[in-house]
Amino acid sequence: SQQGEEDPQALSIQEGENATMNCSYKTSINNLQWYRQNSGRGLVHLILIRSNEREKHSGRLRVTLDTSKKSSSLLITASRAADTASYFCATAPGGTSYGKLTFGQGTILTVHP
Amino acid sequence: ETGVTQTPRHLVMGMTNKKSLKCEQHLGHNAMYWYKQSAKKPLELMFVYNFKEQTENNSVPSRFSPECPNSSHLFLHLHTLQPEDSALYLCASSQESRENEKLFFGSGTQLSVL
Repeated sequence: SQQGEEDPQALSIQEGENATMNCSYKTSINNLQWYRQNSGRGLVHLILIRSNEREKHSGRLRVTLDTSKKSSSLLITASRAADTASYFCATAPGGTSYGKLTFGQGTILTVHP
Repeated sequence: ETGVTQTPRHLVMGMTNKKSLKCEQHLGHNAMYWYKQSAKKPLELMFVYNFKEQTENNSVPSRFSPECPNSSHLFLHLHTLQPEDSALYLCASSQESRENEKLFFGSGTQLSVL
C-alpha cells in the first residue's frame, strides 16, 4: 500500500449523519493534512495536524492522529449535501522538506439530501 | 477563489502539438508546484519551484518542461505528449515555513491528448 492511503474508497450517507474517513501512512511525518476536492476542481485545504498533536477541531471537522499506528481519521459531523466531494489525506515528510506532500487516492463521499 | 489561477481550464491537443499551461498566484508565496491527477491514481508531484529555482523533478518525462520566470508565475510547456498524459494538471503554491505548510491549489487544467 502507499503513503497516505484512505479508507473507505467510497462512502454514501444521509444528510445529518456523521462521516468518518481513515488514512494510513508508512513513514515518519512532520504533519498530516486533509483536503477536499469537488469534481473536476482543485483541492481545498481543510485542516492540518502536526505529529505532536493527537486531535484537532475546525467547525464540523474533527481530525485525530495516532503516530504509533501511523493513522489518522477525519470526522465530519452533521453532514450536508454540500459536503459531497472527494477527501484526501496528505503527509508531509519528517525533516525540512516542506510542502512536498504525498497524497492518498481519496475517499469519495456522497451525502444524500 | 484560492488566489491561484490556472489557464486554460480545458485543453485538447494532438500528440504532435506544443502547448503551455499557465499558473499565477496572487498570495505572495515563494514556492509553486505542478501536480498531475490521473483517474484512479493519487496526485503525483511533478515539479517544485522554491524562490524561482527548481528544487524537485520527480522523474518527469522531458516532454513536460516547466518554467518559473518569477515567484508568481509558473508554466508547464507540453510537446509530443502521449494519450496516457491525459489528466488534470494542478498548480499549487505555498509559503515555505514551519507555520504555513498548506498548499493552495488552482482549479486545474483538464488535458486530453488525442
